[in-house]
Amino acid sequence: DAGVIQSPRHEVTEMGQEVTLRCKPISGHNSLFWYRQTMMRGLELLIYFNNNVPIDDSGMPEDRFSAKMPNASFSTLKIQPSEPRDSAVYFCASSGLGLAGGSEQFFGPGTRLTVL
Amino acid sequence: KQEVTQIPAALSVPEGENLVLNCSFTDSAIYNLQWFRQDPGKGLTSLLLIQSSQREQTSGRLNASLDKSSGRSTLYIAASQPGDSATYLCASGSSNTGKLIFGQGTTLQVKP
Repeated sequence: DAGVIQSPRHEVTEMGQEVTLRCKPISGHNSLFWYRQTMMRGLELLIYFNNNVPIDDSGMPEDRFSAKMPNASFSTLKIQPSEPRDSAVYFCASSGLGLAGGSEQFFGPGTRLTVL
Repeated sequence: KQEVTQIPAALSVPEGENLVLNCSFTDSAIYNLQWFRQDPGKGLTSLLLIQSSQREQTSGRLNASLDKSSGRSTLYIAASQPGDSATYLCASGSSNTGKLIFGQGTTLQVKP
């Protein structure tokens, strides 16, 4: 298996622009997670899906952030409009066997976002 | 609010030394605890997963323990090598919310 795939790996954009991050989970996994990592706050869970349904989005910082999972093999995280404070590394992770509490999470390589 | 704390934040040891990384958590309903490794500019690599019903897991030179009653986990690395240099993160998994709560990590440097 290729593991969790994220694109793009790097994104540089200007404040106010829309940013879309993409993730393909490991085949057969039914839980998908979006995290954000910064030096100041470490790793933070933004949202996670189970069987394509959003279970908990309490970590989404504000309405500018939205996430979708239209099918079991694809998810997007969108920021509109982007702001410089959104600059961070965004990770996608997936796990199998039901809710996250019970099974191992596997991470993608991340997308490094820079908002100028 | 559940928290995970890792001490020390940074550690430097000579090659060959055995070492212990510490992790403490506040979630009394912890479902599992997972240890990850992160190399600079890279994603997280899962090292070990300990279910709440287990006390330890081993993989090669790594051994992780879990003590739910004290809210602590340790990652033991035997015979450390320069290739072990990385940031090690622990994360507690909750059965109530399905979330992983991460510590800030311990950055390990193994000197040849």
